[in-house]
Amino acid sequence: DGGITQSPKYLFRKEGQNVTLSCEQNLNHDAMYWYRQDPGQGLRLIYYSQIVNDFQKGDIAEGYSVSREKKESFPLTVTSAQKNPTAFYLCASSRRTGSATEAFFGQGTRLTVV
Amino acid sequence: AQSVTQLGSHVSVSEGALVLLRCNYSSSVPPYLFWYVQYPNQGLQLLLKYTTGATLVKGINGFEAEFKKSETSFHLTKPSAHMSDAAEYFCAVTNSNYQLIWGAGTKLIIKP
Repeated sequence: DGGITQSPKYLFRKEGQNVTLSCEQNLNHDAMYWYRQDPGQGLRLIYYSQIVNDFQKGDIAEGYSVSREKKESFPLTVTSAQKNPTAFYLCASSRRTGSATEAFFGQGTRLTVV
Repeated sequence: AQSVTQLGSHVSVSEGALVLLRCNYSSSVPPYLFWYVQYPNQGLQLLLKYTTGATLVKGINGFEAEFKKSETSFHLTKPSAHMSDAAEYFCAVTNSNYQLIWGAGTKLIIKP
């Protein structure tokens, strides 16, 4: 089945450590996105990528980094510079930006800093 | 700039009653509008979308929404609520760059 796979589902990190969240899609989508979700705040865009080897900052990119070396993969690194990293992280993809096509989402990764 | 307002962070209805979740948007371009549903600790799933054409859009699980340009609204309805409808619902609109702009979400609570 085609879809988006995020791993792990739950992740615990000690303060001061970097951690990488995985996102893989087999939908042959060009565009991929990372969102952060906090209670009562909806979804906030961290980074997005429209094509391999290119990505743009979203609204809350500080303390995060991404790469897009393959069309299928868009990993997110939460660095120690992110002051409040505990949140639910969602990865999404769509056929391309510049269209009305909807986004497809992974199941999310819940990151907790301990 | 485009924005989305969902009225009510929580909506409670009795099982079998009408569900009405409100979404108002602002957009300087003809909007594309979406409703997504999220069950606890899961990703978002598309319920329905409006792009062009018929303003009454039918989606999955018996939900529908009507695009009203004059009211800048895209409210989500379901005639009869079921316990399995309990979830969080998000309205979204595309901006001029076709990026999704999200509402804050509405948690739907179903009373037995």
